[in-house]
Amino acid sequence: GAGVSQSPRYKVAKRGQDVALRCDPISGHVSLFWYQQALGQGPEFLTYFQNEAQLDKSGLPSDRFFAERPEGSVSTLKIQRTQQEDSAVYLCASSRWGADTQYFGPGTRLTVL
Amino acid sequence: KNEVEQSPQNLTAQEGEFITINCSYSVGISALHWLQQHPGGGIVSLFMLSSGKKKHGRLIATINIQEKHSSLHITASHPRDSAVYICAVLSSGSARQLTFGSGTQLTVLP
Repeated sequence: GAGVSQSPRYKVAKRGQDVALRCDPISGHVSLFWYQQALGQGPEFLTYFQNEAQLDKSGLPSDRFFAERPEGSVSTLKIQRTQQEDSAVYLCASSRWGADTQYFGPGTRLTVL
Repeated sequence: KNEVEQSPQNLTAQEGEFITINCSYSVGISALHWLQQHPGGGIVSLFMLSSGKKKHGRLIATINIQEKHSSLHITASHPRDSAVYICAVLSSGSARQLTFGSGTQLTVLP
């Protein structure tokens, strides 16, 4: 079936704007992860869902970051009042269960001007 | 000190060469992943291993749990192998997120 998809692929925002990034995981995958990847760095964990429950949000850098997965499938990562340091690629991954192989989406490249 | 360290950071090889990328980690893990990232951001999982060795085509991954070390080998390298290779670990007894190394940029010249 289809892999993990993310939209938009590219987003340019002015500083202070709110943005919403969408992730469509592989159908039936229980676990969903969001990661942030700064230029030239490895990804860093943001948050983890098991079905609709957000079990870990320890990686969210500030209270401007909010993620949800209300029906246990599609997830949205929202960033309020964007700052330049939020510029990064935001990666979504899903897996059948928490410790299984994670399948990554193509990422959303966010540029905050 | 990062929990996951990779070396080298950059690697340039001639087509056909045997390539080794190393990964060391400092935490107890339940599994280690090798990932491949092409320009544009897409990440593909190459291997997930918790012991021993796995082989897929020209790629071989090994792990030594006692030494907290893993290697990714590419035999008969090809320009299409050019990508960033990332090591990531799943810590034992923790939540399910991966902790990533900073990646190794591999360039294979024709």
